[in-house]
Amino acid sequence: ETGVTQTPRHLVMGMTNKKSLKCEQHLGHNAMYWYKQSAKKPLELMFVYNFKEQTENNSVPSRFSPECPNSSHLFLHLHTLQPEDSALYLCASSPELAGVSTGELFFGEGSRLTVL
Amino acid sequence: AQSVTQLDSQVPVFEEAPVELRCNYSSSVSVYLFWYVQYPNQGLQLLLKYLSGSTLVKGINGFEAEFNKSQTSFHLRKPSVHISDTAEYFCAVSEGTSGSRLTFGEGTQLTVNP
Repeated sequence: ETGVTQTPRHLVMGMTNKKSLKCEQHLGHNAMYWYKQSAKKPLELMFVYNFKEQTENNSVPSRFSPECPNSSHLFLHLHTLQPEDSALYLCASSPELAGVSTGELFFGEGSRLTVL
Repeated sequence: AQSVTQLDSQVPVFEEAPVELRCNYSSSVSVYLFWYVQYPNQGLQLLLKYLSGSTLVKGINGFEAEFNKSQTSFHLRKPSVHISDTAEYFCAVSEGTSGSRLTFGEGTQLTVNP
């Protein structure tokens, strides 16, 4: 139990499907993040939320749509994805936004997405 | 802009041997440096970090790293590895200012063989 829980752990979807990834943190943190991890590439920061408000969208295509209803939950809604979107999507949280610069990131186990 | 280079994509070693995973960074300002570990089918976990002070930083599981400003390096070391250390290791850097973001390297797969 890492304190950050992601569901589902594995997801296979077609290019026309709509699905969602869910992240829940039990650590009382105020900032949450979505990262994309592709094979042999550095982690890519996708979105940042601080106190439920989106503070950063790192030029992510609109087929990825984040939602943060409260400081404990973060969703990533997926629609009309491409095969190159197949990757491990990691959720992370930190006590506060400044935590991302001091390394206080706590990661979930990730959702492995395969787009057919 | 900051960047991170992990010089080895794969490092195979035998159990109880010493290991060094290399990391170099570039930045025009002072930095914070980190090593994260990712065990199979898990998320990333902070191994150790350098923010300021002593350049030799000790982390969990017997790992340590040394910040070398002149060589812009932050190599990770362990004097004797175990099978359970098999994992992917990521070096990361931030520019040490509020709101700055972590930049990760591409990772080094450490495989410890019996």
